[in-house]
Amino acid sequence: EPEVTQTPSHQVTQMGQEVILRCVPISNHLYFYWYRQILGQKVEFLVSFYNNEISEKSEIFDDQFSVERPDGSNFTLKIRSTKLEDSAMYFCASSEVPNYGYTFGSGTRLTVV
Amino acid sequence: KQEVTQIPAALSVPEGENLVLNCSFTDSAIYNLQWFRQDPGKGLTSLLLIQSSQREQTSGRLNASLDKSSGRSTLYIAASQPGDSATYLCAVERVMGAQKLVFGQGTRLTINP
Repeated sequence: EPEVTQTPSHQVTQMGQEVILRCVPISNHLYFYWYRQILGQKVEFLVSFYNNEISEKSEIFDDQFSVERPDGSNFTLKIRSTKLEDSAMYFCASSEVPNYGYTFGSGTRLTVV
Repeated sequence: KQEVTQIPAALSVPEGENLVLNCSFTDSAIYNLQWFRQDPGKGLTSLLLIQSSQREQTSGRLNASLDKSSGRSTLYIAASQPGDSATYLCAVERVMGAQKLVFGQGTRLTINP
């Protein structure tokens, strides 16, 4: 079964540092997403991405966040200057076509200290 | 604004029992509803996807139903096993093209041997 792969599985960073979370979506998928889950809270939508541009973003996704598809296989989420409240599990997801289900990765646990 | 609620927050049952998990949503203008399983500290595994035109979907011992007009979905698990222990999340997708899932807070299920 095709998988969405995320690296690293766990990252610890100091407040104010930049982090890049990486994802390899399923190869024939064209739509990519980032979600996050703060410990004990709901999974929240951050951003959707198609055809090399952002389709939609939430109010959480401010100027500190950016996404990129640097090559044909990777999809990245960059947090420019991390805050303590950015500590969460970040999930990447992809879909072949919109509105027909999503495949999620196993997540990157980000801890900001 | 779409809100998704799952009841109960936690459920503990003996092995072998049939059980029902509930999901309700406030805005019936959805395109689909997806049930996920989340193991502790892990990613989201898709279980079932129900399009808004469908009433139910089945996969093995799992059956999910959707009543869009009343804003409800149920996940029925037959003959529960200890390996079914996990958190179950439901998520709704807004009308076509929105490409954004809104999640419930999950039901933490424990199956006791």
